[in-house]
Amino acid sequence: TQLLEQSPQFLSIQEGENLTVYCNSSSVFSSLQWYRQEPGEGPVLLVTVVTGGEVKKLKRLTFQFGDARKDSSLHITAAQPGDTGLYLCAGRGNRDDKIIFGKGTRLHILP
Amino acid sequence: NAGVTQTPKFRVLKTGQSMTLLCAQDMNHEYMYWYRQDPGMGLRLIHYSVGEGTTAKGEVPDGYNVSRLKKQNFLLGLESAAPSQTSVYFCASGRLQQPQHFGDGTRLSIL
Repeated sequence: TQLLEQSPQFLSIQEGENLTVYCNSSSVFSSLQWYRQEPGEGPVLLVTVVTGGEVKKLKRLTFQFGDARKDSSLHITAAQPGDTGLYLCAGRGNRDDKIIFGKGTRLHILP
Repeated sequence: NAGVTQTPKFRVLKTGQSMTLLCAQDMNHEYMYWYRQDPGMGLRLIHYSVGEGTTAKGEVPDGYNVSRLKKQNFLLGLESAAPSQTSVYFCASGRLQQPQHFGDGTRLSIL
C-alpha cells in the first residue's frame, strides 16, 4: 500500500519567517501535486512536479521533487497571512495511475 | 466558469435515511472521483469513474453507491446513512495523467 507522510501536521509561525513542509514515501510516484485548501472550499492545485530533482517556483513558494521521485518539499519564503491554509501533497502511482493524498499540513501565519 | 459543482452544500440526515449527492463538471473530463475528508485522515477515495457508464471502488467504498449515466455527472448515494458517514464530501474531475479539479464540498451530518 502506498502512503504519503506529511510533516509537520501543524505549523504556526510569525509573518516574515521561512518554512518548509515535507511529503515523504517509500514508493515511487510518476508525478506529485501540491494543493492548498482553505476553509469551506475544495483543494486548489498549486503545482505538479514530474521529473526527479525538479524544482518549481511560484512567487515565494518553491517546490522540489526528490531525485528518486519518492518525496517532495514545499518551501515558503517570508510567509504572509494569506499563506494560511491546509497544504496537501498527492502522488500519482508509478504503475496504476491511482492518486494518493497525504493527510496535510495545516499552516497558520500570524500577523 | 463553473468547473466542478456539488449539490447540496450542506445536509443533515437521520440515521437510516437515504440521499444522493450530485456532482457536475463542465470541462468534458473523462475521470470523476468522490472523496471524503475527515479530521486527521486527509482525503480518502470512495469511488471513481474513468468514463460514462463505468465506476470503480476506491479506498473506502462500503456504504456508498455511485452512478455515471452522463459524462458530466457523477452521483454518490447513501442508501442507509450511518453516523460514521458524517463527513465533508468532495467531488473531483480530471483527465488521464492530469491533476484533479475539485468542487467546494458537501458537508453532511448524520444524527
